[in-house]
Amino acid sequence: AQSVTQPDIHITVSEGASLELRCNYSYGATPYLFWYVQSPGQGLQLLLKYFSGDTLVQGIKGFEAEFKRSQSSFNLRKPSVHWSDAAEYFCAVASDTGRRALTFGSGTRLQVQP
Amino acid sequence: DGGITQSPKYLFRKEGQNVTLSCEQNLNHDAMYWYRQDPGQGLRLIYYSQIVNDFQKGDIAEGYSVSREKKESFPLTVTSAQKNPTAFYLCASRARQGPANYGYTFGSGTRLTVV
Repeated sequence: AQSVTQPDIHITVSEGASLELRCNYSYGATPYLFWYVQSPGQGLQLLLKYFSGDTLVQGIKGFEAEFKRSQSSFNLRKPSVHWSDAAEYFCAVASDTGRRALTFGSGTRLQVQP
Repeated sequence: DGGITQSPKYLFRKEGQNVTLSCEQNLNHDAMYWYRQDPGQGLRLIYYSQIVNDFQKGDIAEGYSVSREKKESFPLTVTSAQKNPTAFYLCASRARQGPANYGYTFGSGTRLTVV
């Protein structure tokens, strides 16, 4: 069964600092990987996704993620964090067979200090 | 604009009462999903449907029921058998036209509270 681990429950960074959110997945085949962001009481917004090809993926709002098969990781990065980036971030994995549903990590809450 | 509409935004349920959460999409997506979100647990799959008139249990289906009579609609009923229904519920749909378009769209959620 597929699974996702986000080891950091809560991260605090200063505005303007760089950010890296960790994500490790467990999946037997080539995974479809996603990062979503959620503001309080809202739905999920897609930041970026990886299916194949270039392992460095660019997303919206200046985010990028790197797929590392050898480490089963898909870490999210941003060079300079803005106060508006404060939110909860979810990594997810899906397959293109079977139920094709997203399996989510437990999320990382990002706090941005001025 | 195309999207997913969930209603109501807030819902209060009395003990022993069934309630139904609405999810409607105009994206022409075949597959639809219901997730439950609890603090610190991410999102967990309740039910999913890949085609009209067919649906399958997800990981935490006990105490829930669904129907899929129309492509656009996938309502979720929280029954009295669900012992701890207070949570945030998210509906999603999926485009299936190949890997390049493979993606999920989420509604804005319904917060259900037992009173």
